Amino acid sequence: AQSVAQPEDQVNVAEGNPLTVKCTYSVSGNPYLFWYVQYPNRGLQFLLKYITGDNLVKGSYGFEAEFNKSQTSFHLKKPSALVSDSALYFCAVRDQAGTALIFGKGTTLSVSS
Amino acid sequence: GAVVSQHPSWVICKSGTSVKIECRSLDFQATTMFWYRQFPKQSLMLMATSNEGSKATYEQGVEKDKFLINHASLTLSTLTVTSAHPEDSSFYICSARDHRGTDTQYFGPGTRLTVL
Repeated sequence: AQSVAQPEDQVNVAEGNPLTVKCTYSVSGNPYLFWYVQYPNRGLQFLLKYITGDNLVKGSYGFEAEFNKSQTSFHLKKPSALVSDSALYFCAVRDQAGTALIFGKGTTLSVSS
Repeated sequence: GAVVSQHPSWVICKSGTSVKIECRSLDFQATTMFWYRQFPKQSLMLMATSNEGSKATYEQGVEKDKFLINHASLTLSTLTVTSAHPEDSSFYICSARDHRGTDTQYFGPGTRLTVL
């Protein structure tokens, strides 16, 4: 069965510092991995995805994520955090055969000024 | 990126009434749409997968007679919560799968349902 783990409920970082939001996954076969961001009372906005190719994926708003097959991880990163990055972040996975996304529980990112 | 809209964004209804939520893909065709439910400070739970022109596939534990899904066209799926009760109050989010090379799911802004 597919699963996604986001081990941190909350990540706190100061503005200007680098941030990392962790995600590990379990899926049979090659994974399709996604990151989404959600602001209060809003739907999810797509940030980036990994399907194949380079392990380092660049996405919207300066975010990037690194696919690590041996560690089954897909951590979200940004070199310099902004206060406006504060939101709820979801990691999601689906396998090649499936269509629905399986979501992690979410990680709240709080960036202080 | 692709745009998905939902209507209404917020609805308050009395217990026992039915509520219809629309999900539209505005600039792409979506043969597959998904309906999720999200409780406060929790993750998204997949309710059902909606395929254009066929019956929806419901996840285990989701009552198909209570949550009626219709995907009548390539750009529209509807979720009807029948005989709503307070425990149905939640944030309902749809997504549409874009098959145009990117194969990414794009999400609507969500509908907050409050049943009194």
